[in-house]
Amino acid sequence: QKEVEQDPGPLSVPEGAIVSLNCTYSNSAFQYFMWYRQYSRKGPELLMYTYSSGNKEDGRFTAQVDKSSKYISLFIRDSQPSDSATYLCAIQGSGGSNYKLTFGKGTLLTVNP
Amino acid sequence: ETGVTQSPTHLIKTRGQQVTLRCSSQSGHNTVSWYQQALGQGPQFIFQYYREEENGRGNFPPRFSGLQFPNYSSELNVNALELDDSALYLCASRNQGAETQYFGPGTRLLVL
Repeated sequence: QKEVEQDPGPLSVPEGAIVSLNCTYSNSAFQYFMWYRQYSRKGPELLMYTYSSGNKEDGRFTAQVDKSSKYISLFIRDSQPSDSATYLCAIQGSGGSNYKLTFGKGTLLTVNP
Repeated sequence: ETGVTQSPTHLIKTRGQQVTLRCSSQSGHNTVSWYQQALGQGPQFIFQYYREEENGRGNFPPRFSGLQFPNYSSELNVNALELDDSALYLCASRNQGAETQYFGPGTRLLVL
């Protein structure tokens, strides 16, 4: 079983739609949960970062973590064509070398005007 | 504040050659990690450097090695290149003790 599972899509939605992106993970020792956005041929850009179970909101983006079911989600409201990118979930431990990020495969999102 | 920079942006090598990739960390960041991202995959952790020493390594063979310099910049060296080493190589930096890492634009390596 992979440490982080993410549906690679691709996902295509009309402008203004609500987008839901999801990942599951297997190791309950992971403590930090990130979402990165990666445009084509660019490096990943940190979007959201959360530590505990629950929701964290930043503008049109909401990150949700359920540690009991090892499930993390990213919701994008009022999606825009500029949101078209690959979205990577990443999880991380703490302390020393446990700061490495373990990524999902990424979900390719296209928002159509 | 200067972000993470990497050089070169693109590189073509042949099988068996050696390559050196370079990274300058974000201003004030003292820890650097390297990741390999194959096409269609998420980044895979190679190793992390702090205080000029490797202090964490992923599942990569010894022909992947690195250095960190006193100014926190870093190099990734890959010997005896194989076709499967073709990938985007990403550098990420953070301050020791901080949870969030910030990535550079990457170096795209093609091995023929």
